[in-house]
Amino acid sequence: EIVLTQSPATLSVSPGERATLSCRASQSVSSNLAWYQQIPGQAPTLLIHDVSTRATGVPARFSGSGSGTEFTLTISSLQSEDFAVYYCQQYNSGVTFGPGTKVDLK
Amino acid sequence: QVQLVESGGGVVQPGKSLRLSCAASGFTFSASTVHWVRQTPDKGLEWVAVMSPDGSLKYFADSVKGRFTISRDNSENTLYLQMNSLRIEDTAVYSCARQAAGTPRWYFDYWGLGTLVTVSS
Repeated sequence: EIVLTQSPATLSVSPGERATLSCRASQSVSSNLAWYQQIPGQAPTLLIHDVSTRATGVPARFSGSGSGTEFTLTISSLQSEDFAVYYCQQYNSGVTFGPGTKVDLK
Repeated sequence: QVQLVESGGGVVQPGKSLRLSCAASGFTFSASTVHWVRQTPDKGLEWVAVMSPDGSLKYFADSVKGRFTISRDNSENTLYLQMNSLRIEDTAVYSCARQAAGTPRWYFDYWGLGTLVTVSS
């Protein structure tokens, strides 16, 4: 099973600041990596798939990068609605999710 | 708009059974691959099972293989998860999630809110 590790566990950011979230895989997942946002009490929403392709309707301030085992989700200028938990997911071999990074208000 | 609504959760004793339903609307269910994913505060998100649009292919996580089955009724736009021999560690919120349209890759463009299953004596 491919294990995903996310860091940091919690990221405290002020509105307007840049947020950088990391996801590391225990083995290569090629380009088969997605990112989701989950606001408490809501279902996860797809942000990014195939490492860097934004899902329909996702603002341009969200971007993904990386390859192989190291991936990054960047929020260029954090908005109030972006405070949430972010999960990475690999679909190269089955499906596994990372434990999440909580982005909260500094 | 796309909607996925789960039901059937509840409190059940270890060893008992429960059947979950996922009612889909707003898209062509019969042409869509839909998965079950569960979530707990401790273990996070865990993929559970998937069924192909025509029901011919089914895959399960090792943790539920042999105990859970998946089925669908395309005439009713509904996906089911039959959970047998339930264990305490099956306690979770169970959500259905649509595999992103037009791709064979297993990422999900729509999720339901989920239904809570509690396994407790």
